[in-house]
Amino acid sequence: EVVLTQSPGTLSLSPGERATLSCRASQAISRTFLGWYQQKPGHPPKLLIYEASTRATGVPDRFSGSGSGTDFTLTINSLDPDDFAVYFCQLYGSSPTFGPGTTVTVK
Amino acid sequence: QVQLVESGGGVVQPGKSVRLSCLASGFRFSNLGMHWVRQAPGKGLEWVAVVWFDGTQNSYADSARGRFTISRDNAKNTLYLDILRLRLDDTARYFCASGGSTSGRKAFDIWGRGTMLIVSS
Repeated sequence: EVVLTQSPGTLSLSPGERATLSCRASQAISRTFLGWYQQKPGHPPKLLIYEASTRATGVPDRFSGSGSGTDFTLTINSLDPDDFAVYFCQLYGSSPTFGPGTTVTVK
Repeated sequence: QVQLVESGGGVVQPGKSVRLSCLASGFRFSNLGMHWVRQAPGKGLEWVAVVWFDGTQNSYADSARGRFTISRDNAKNTLYLDILRLRLDDTARYFCASGGSTSGRKAFDIWGRGTMLIVSS
């Protein structure tokens, strides 16, 4: 069973700064099955990135994903006030699992 | 528009059973594998189960195997989750989500707003 860990747990930044979120898998996984989601309080998760680096429809290009093997990164360039939320990585496929999440808060 | 609407949550006593439903509209529900995902209050996301587009195959998280049953009625565009012998730790918001392919093995691209299940005596 693959376990995903995310770091940091909380990231405190100001609007306009860059956010770098990490997702690490307990064993190498195919980047084809790695996604990132954004969740705001009282709302369902929203798909941001799939296949590690492909933005979902309508997602601004300040969001980018990268990585391979066991280490994956979500980067948010120039944080917008709307971007302060919780971010989850996910291994989808035959046995989906989510990471514990990174909360991006206003500094 | 593309929409998933869950229902069936509420306050239920431990040991009882519940059926959660998810009504789909605005897309070809019968072509897509569908998932249930839950989120306990203040916690992260936990995948629960998936059912293939035609209902012939399903899969469960270890925590759900034995008490949870996922099913679907494509004629009614509805996904179901039956939970037996409810426990206090089943308290969560239950989301349905589309898995983007017939087997549901792609990213979860469509989500409902969830239905809150509270298990309490």
